[in-house]
Amino acid sequence: NAGVMQNPRHLVRRRGQEARLRCSPMKGHSHVYWYRQLPEEGLKFMVYLQKENIIDESGMPKERFSAEFPKEGPSILRIQQVVRGDSAAYFCASSPPGNNEKLFFGSGTQLSVL
Amino acid sequence: SQQGEEDPQALSIQEGENATMNCSYKTSINNLQWYRQNSGRGLVHLILIRSNEREKHSGRLRVTLDTSKKSSSLLITASRAADTASYFCATRTSGTYKYIFGTGTRLKVLA
Repeated sequence: NAGVMQNPRHLVRRRGQEARLRCSPMKGHSHVYWYRQLPEEGLKFMVYLQKENIIDESGMPKERFSAEFPKEGPSILRIQQVVRGDSAAYFCASSPPGNNEKLFFGSGTQLSVL
Repeated sequence: SQQGEEDPQALSIQEGENATMNCSYKTSINNLQWYRQNSGRGLVHLILIRSNEREKHSGRLRVTLDTSKKSSSLLITASRAADTASYFCATRTSGTYKYIFGTGTRLKVLA
């Protein structure tokens, strides 16, 4: 019964590079949420996906950020041409089909942009 | 802006004392949840209260919900040093799927 797995745990990128963050939801879960957290702050919603569909991306910046949750494989949060302001902890959460009342979180990916 | 706002932002108490945290929100909700986050870790679900419920208990946790005031409180009784963490409320606005988290209360329980 593995929980939500995120990798890498820490990611260091230089300005202008691409960052790819991966999230494998709990077994049987088909809903994935991505959140971003700055130090000493709460979580800010970015995007909600179901298998192969983006349901709500109202929290995603219009440029450089994209997310996907393919039929097979993990969900990917992709940040192109990273800037220092992208440095944050990115958390993924999953919930089972038909019941997204309780979210199960991964341990997060800490992105540092140099 | 965040849907939920917790207060206090930080709380420091002695082991054995009770800790009370409050959360206010702005829109109509289906339910309200409380989560706990230990430093550098992901969030862990604690308790959910539905919009038609007024109070709920789980072990040493007691949650209340006042939809007329759009507020909730989390009470942790007989606190322990291991309760030291940040606590967040999360709400899901009616008709949407996303959960909005508050700014959190950082609780420190001194042994």
